[in-house]
Amino acid sequence: EIVLTQSPGTLSLSPGERATLSCRASQSVDRSDLAWYQHKPGQAPRVLIYDTSSRATDIPDRFSGSGSGTDFTLTISRLEPEDFAVYYCQHYGDSPPTFTFGPGTKVDIK
Amino acid sequence: QVQLQQSGPGLVKPSETLSLICTVSGGSIGGYYWNWIRQSAGKGLEWIGRIYISGTTHSNPSLKSRVTMSVDTSKSQFSLKLNFVTAADTATYYCARDRSGYFYYAMDVWGQGTTVTVSS
Repeated sequence: EIVLTQSPGTLSLSPGERATLSCRASQSVDRSDLAWYQHKPGQAPRVLIYDTSSRATDIPDRFSGSGSGTDFTLTISRLEPEDFAVYYCQHYGDSPPTFTFGPGTKVDIK
Repeated sequence: QVQLQQSGPGLVKPSETLSLICTVSGGSIGGYYWNWIRQSAGKGLEWIGRIYISGTTHSNPSLKSRVTMSVDTSKSQFSLKLNFVTAADTATYYCARDRSGYFYYAMDVWGQGTTVTVSS
């Protein structure tokens, strides 16, 4: 079973700053199996990145994903006011098919 | 575009069964997996399980013994039943589509969420 850890737990930044969020897997995973979501209070989660680095439909290019093996990163190049939210990484495993989420990183306004 | 509309009671008594329905509109229910995810207060997202139109299901091992999922293609609906609920099952429940059959291993369409409280 893959376990995902995310760091930091909370990231306090100002609008315009760069955010770097980390997701670490307990063992090496395929790049195709790693995704990132944004979740705001009172809303459903929204997929940002799939396949480690592919942006989902209508996601602005300030969001980017990278990584391989056990270490993956979500970068927000310049924070907009609407980007303050909780971000989750997610792994898909196929034996048996399972989705696993990390504990989340909260990006809040400094 | 595809939309998911959730329905079901917001209050369930302990030891009873939580039942939720998700209705698919604006697109086909065929060709995709349909998932249930929940979030308890102050906690992260937990995947509950998923179903395909063939009836094939996959579940989180921690919940598998209490979870039943079904699909009704004639109504473009899929449903979740969680038996023997306790206060620990109080959460916001979401339905969502995944496109793993298309090598897109993420959930790209979500329902609005249903807050379910387990209390007598």
